[in-house]
Amino acid sequence: DIQMTQSPSSLSASVGDRVTITCRASQSISSYLNWYQQKPGKAPKLLIYAASSLQSGVPSRFSGSGSGTDFTLTISSLQPEDFATYYCQQSYSTLLFTFGPGTKVDIK
Amino acid sequence: QVQLQESGPGLVKPSQTLSLTCTVSGGSISSGSYYWSWIRQPAGKGLEWIGRIYTSGSTNYNPSLKSRVTISVDTSKNQFSLKLSSVTAADTAVYYCARDGGYDSSGYYYVWYFDLWGRGTLVTVSS
Repeated sequence: DIQMTQSPSSLSASVGDRVTITCRASQSISSYLNWYQQKPGKAPKLLIYAASSLQSGVPSRFSGSGSGTDFTLTISSLQPEDFATYYCQQSYSTLLFTFGPGTKVDIK
Repeated sequence: QVQLQESGPGLVKPSQTLSLTCTVSGGSISSGSYYWSWIRQPAGKGLEWIGRIYTSGSTNYNPSLKSRVTISVDTSKNQFSLKLSSVTAADTAVYYCARDGGYDSSGYYYVWYFDLWGRGTLVTVSS
């Protein structure tokens, strides 16, 4: 199984801050890495697919980078609506898709 | 636009079978090259992929659940379904259905990502 880890598990930030979340895979997954945003009581929302492609309708302040085992989600200027939990997910192994444990972003 | 909606009992007794249906509206479940997935999330915890199905009937299941899971599709009703047998309290979770797949930004390569989700339905396992 491909294990996904995320750091930090939580962070506190202010509106306007630049936020970076890291995701690491237990083996190389090329660029088969997706990022989701989840707000309380809501379904996850796709932000980034294939490591760096912005999903249609997602603000350009979100960006993704990385390949192999190390990936990053960056929010260039945190907005009030961005306070949420963020999950990475590998789609390299189609026999078992796995998610990271999540990173909760809250207000400082 | 395409929307997904989960339905089914919110309470299931231990040892029984959990059954959920996802109805796809606003488009045909058979259009495109999508798989259709089930994902669950226990309260306060992370996301776990359960499995997926293509409209041909081809399936992939999470190995940790494979012995208890069956996913089926009914293209005439634009629905796909989940059955999870021998449930315990550990299966209590919000269950989501999701659309799986799409082309990358180059338009040449097909990759897997969950771009559309249902709102989720809470299933509690309790006597």
